[in-house]
Amino acid sequence: DSGVTQTPKHLITATGQRVTLRCSPRSGDLSVYWYQQSLDQGLQFLIQYYNGEERAKGNILERFSAQQFPDLHSELNLSSLELGDSALYFCASSDTSGRGELFFGEGSRLTVL
Amino acid sequence: DAKTTQPTSMDCAEGRAANLPCNHSTISGNEYVYWYRQIHSQGPQYIIHGLKNNETNEMASLIITEDRKSSTLILPHATLRDTAVYYCIATSGGSNYKLTFGKGTLLTVNP
Repeated sequence: DSGVTQTPKHLITATGQRVTLRCSPRSGDLSVYWYQQSLDQGLQFLIQYYNGEERAKGNILERFSAQQFPDLHSELNLSSLELGDSALYFCASSDTSGRGELFFGEGSRLTVL
Repeated sequence: DAKTTQPTSMDCAEGRAANLPCNHSTISGNEYVYWYRQIHSQGPQYIIHGLKNNETNEMASLIITEDRKSSTLILPHATLRDTAVYYCIATSGGSNYKLTFGKGTLLTVNP
């Protein structure tokens, strides 16, 4: 158990819909990262937040947005969903020790029909 | 992040040492080598990291060549539960650990 909690574990929805994925980082971790893993793309970095502020952005689509709340949990919002958005979405957190160890959650599997 | 190159797949017999190579010939002086693994569709798991010295922890050993252009992750006594995709990543880290995962090596441990 990494200490990172993601909900929901599974989500099935239709094209054009909007979903929200939630992540609770390990206690005390200030950084939250979102990754997308689809069959043909591997693990792709989407975005990072540090203590409520966006810190780094990767290959995140404009239809996707994220935020980190004062209690440090984070949400990834996916809108106007397309079939190609079907993937595993992982959240990870890290502390400020400088060790570079990311702790990943078990992921949210999104299926868009 | 420096580009890393790993074999697509490897096999190992249970109980034997698994040696997973990684090439990172363009690594810069401030970049660490990180290893993660991902057991089928689970979240990736940190294994070990190092800068230039060899490192060992309860999971594995990391051997980095003197010129730092390549490294080897060693699982001393592989078990069936070690079957996973292993990712080698070179990054400077800092406060932004937006690790870039490549394709990794699928290690299959056979009974």
